[in-house]
Amino acid sequence: EAQVTQNPRYLITVTGKKLTVTCSQNMNHEYMSWYRQDPGLGLRQIYYSMNVEVTDKGDVPEGYKVSRKEKRNFPLILESPSPNQTSLYFCASSLSRPSPLHFGNGTRLTVT
Amino acid sequence: DQQVKQNSPSLSVQEGRISILNCDYTNSMFDYFLWYKKYPAEGPTFLISISSIKDKNEDGRFTVFLNKSAKHLSLHIVPSQPGDSAVYFCAALNGNKLVFGAGTILRVKS
Repeated sequence: EAQVTQNPRYLITVTGKKLTVTCSQNMNHEYMSWYRQDPGLGLRQIYYSMNVEVTDKGDVPEGYKVSRKEKRNFPLILESPSPNQTSLYFCASSLSRPSPLHFGNGTRLTVT
Repeated sequence: DQQVKQNSPSLSVQEGRISILNCDYTNSMFDYFLWYKKYPAEGPTFLISISSIKDKNEDGRFTVFLNKSAKHLSLHIVPSQPGDSAVYFCAALNGNKLVFGAGTILRVKS
């Protein structure tokens, strides 16, 4: 089954404790992206990647890192999480240009 | 600076009637527009799209209209069904960046 898989689905952590949210797609897509969803703000892009070893900042990249060492994986790294990073995170992929995007089921992160 | 705006946070419609969801944008460089639907505890799923060179695209019960001069697009759902109850996101594409609106919660009452 074609899908984008994120792990974990839920995560509660404390300020400053490094964490990684994994994302993997099995559709051989070149384009991958991370979004965060916050009430009243919709989905805002954090980082995106056009292909392996090619990443670029989205609209809200501060406090996040990504890597694209393999085509299928695009992990999101929070080196020192803060409470304002409490959010619902979505990973997405598409064949090339981001249209249409296939989304994972989300990771709800709480930073206390 | 919200380049894509969905000004109605929610909409309630009777089953069988038409649902009209609206979206406005400010960036004239957007060349492709999409609608996504999202159920609770799931990721958004692609619904329908339209290129900026067209003014209408239809897929079954779903039709998207684009008015470039007004920088406005709308999604029509006819007839609305209870299973259409979800959050609908409008999105606009400029190059490799896809910008989303804040979403509209649609409730279809049976």
